[in-house]
Amino acid sequence: EAQVTQNPRYLITVTGKKLTVTCSQNMNHEYMSWYRQDPGLGLRQIYYSMNVEVTDKGDVPEGYKVSRKEKRNFPLILESPSPNQTSLYFCASSLLGDRGSYEQYFGPGTRLTVT
Amino acid sequence: DAKTTQPPSMDCAEGRAANLPCNHSTISGNEYVYWYRQIHSQGPQYIIHGLKNNETNEMASLIITEDRKSSTLILPHATLRDTAVYYCIVGYGQNFVFGPGTRLSVLP
Repeated sequence: EAQVTQNPRYLITVTGKKLTVTCSQNMNHEYMSWYRQDPGLGLRQIYYSMNVEVTDKGDVPEGYKVSRKEKRNFPLILESPSPNQTSLYFCASSLLGDRGSYEQYFGPGTRLTVT
Repeated sequence: DAKTTQPPSMDCAEGRAANLPCNHSTISGNEYVYWYRQIHSQGPQYIIHGLKNNETNEMASLIITEDRKSSTLILPHATLRDTAVYYCIVGYGQNFVFGPGTRLSVLP
């Protein structure tokens, strides 16, 4: 089954304790991205990757890192989490469609709470 | 900021067509119109996208005006499971900006 998986689905942690949220897709997609969703602010893009070893900042990259060492994986790293990073996080992947269009498949989400 | 304007909420009777409007008056010539939906806090689900022509797939139809400044997503026979937040997004390439969307409630 074609899918995007995220782990963990739920995480409660403390300020400053490094964490990684994993994202994996089995569709051989070149493009992957991370979003966070907060009440009243909608979905905002954190980072995206056009292919292996190619990453770039989205709209809200501060406090986050990513890496793309393999095509299927795109982990999100919080080196020193803070309470303002409490949010619902989504990973997405996409083929580069016809003439530059992107049909994104989203993962189930990771609900992160930083205390 | 999102480049689209959508009504915050709409109701639709079960079995009837749901027509969700979207204004995107500043759309550029190479930008696509995408529609996604999100049920509760699940991951957004792709519905359909188009550039200039009207599009139809198994889920919905997308009608884009000739000047491309607005579009309408049509769910031909809405069911209770179509209750969700529907996002209209305009973009090219990896530049995706989600606005607040339209909360569609399908009523029995």
